[in-house]
Amino acid sequence: QSALTQPASVSGSPGQSITISCTGTSSDVGSYNYVSWYQQHPGKAPKLIIYDVSNRPSGVSNRFSGSKSGNTASLTISGLQAEDEADYYCSSFTSSSTVVFGGGTKLTVL
Amino acid sequence: EVQLLESGGDLVQPGGSLRLSCAASAFTFSSYAMSWVRQAPGRGLEWVSTISGSGGSTYYADSAKGRFTISRDNSKSTLYLQINSLRVEDTAVYYCAKSVGATTIRTFDVWGQGTMVTVSS
Repeated sequence: QSALTQPASVSGSPGQSITISCTGTSSDVGSYNYVSWYQQHPGKAPKLIIYDVSNRPSGVSNRFSGSKSGNTASLTISGLQAEDEADYYCSSFTSSSTVVFGGGTKLTVL
Repeated sequence: EVQLLESGGDLVQPGGSLRLSCAASAFTFSSYAMSWVRQAPGRGLEWVSTISGSGGSTYYADSAKGRFTISRDNSKSTLYLQINSLRVEDTAVYYCAKSVGATTIRTFDVWGQGTMVTVSS
């Protein structure tokens, strides 16, 4: 199972919005609304921020939103803040009853 | 507060074995599937394995089939990962993660702090 494709890095200034893409195939992202997004700060465990494409867990800021079109899912962070600087990973359920992660995207807040 | 605490990581020689543990607290352990996700140094996340809440169903990444065995003891609220024939490429932080349902494996809503496994001669 190949990893989902994410850009290696994105950047934005405080207050701006950024979008991170996550491209899979018809065997994973394209077939299921089971895409999740995780935020990971250096040296810390990942934190769930979006599940089932566009749902936010309790306590996660509404500045984080998710969507999907075809084989590509997207995470949008609006009103960028310094604390958003982290690595972001997408994941998807697959037709093989497994989970595949993206390679990760490093977000830099300028 | 829901918590997961991993242990068992160590420095091991290639070909060796290791059993990782994950102690869960503050939730009904048997009601949720549990998973292991690993992260090699400087690399991304890699799903390893998931076990259903009852323990009756297990799922493995291709990279884990044959050498990794996931199990759980619901009476002790503890998850395990047995790794045999360790390889240098198994070097990683191993995270224990809770799924959002008894049988679902798609979303991990609570993570432990991780335990480091280093395979080196």
